Amino acid sequence: GQQLNQSPQSMFIQEGEDVSMNCTSSSIFNTWLWYKQDPGEGPVLLIALYKAGELTSNGRLTAQFGITRKDSFLNISASIPSDVGIYFCAGHISGNTPLVFGKGTRLSVIA
Amino acid sequence: DSGVTQTPKHLITATGQRVTLRCSPRSGDLSVYWYQQSLDQGLQFLIQYYNGEERAKGNILERFSAQQFPDLHSELNLSSLELGDSALYFCASSTSIDTQYFGPGTRLTVL
Repeated sequence: GQQLNQSPQSMFIQEGEDVSMNCTSSSIFNTWLWYKQDPGEGPVLLIALYKAGELTSNGRLTAQFGITRKDSFLNISASIPSDVGIYFCAGHISGNTPLVFGKGTRLSVIA
Repeated sequence: DSGVTQTPKHLITATGQRVTLRCSPRSGDLSVYWYQQSLDQGLQFLIQYYNGEERAKGNILERFSAQQFPDLHSELNLSSLELGDSALYFCASSTSIDTQYFGPGTRLTVL
């Protein structure tokens, strides 16, 4: 099936630093979504992207839908301890296909 | 709180047994999705229901089945359980296919 390659797998950063993670695919996607999952909880939707080139912010989070429609990135500025968790990218190839998820980026923030 | 509820939160059972996981979608959402998340893995799509009808199928084993009832709640039935079925099982709901909201999950442990 379709796969999303998410990198890095894990990151250790100092509080206050900016973070960048990305997701790539060999297929064109119509929608890109970014979720955050805290331990023992369900993923929470952070940002949804619907058009190539779209840049969307949610507080300290910014995500972009790549112009080739085969990638997306998520930036977190001025990280804080509660940013700790696993960040998943997900996407739809077409309107009727199920969401495909990346394997996640595990973020650790050192105070 | 996403508005999606799942019960039970935890389930411990033995190999060969059968269990039922329950999901209530957000008010107004007609679509329900089931996902499996194994340790350190991304979310694997199992199956989708829309207004009581099966809409899409992913990597769902034949030992697993699901249904969506007239009140839109859904149940995922797992039978002849194996050790490898131990995982987090998430339900998500949506009004549009693009943005799915996840429940807190059911942690299944097969001993």
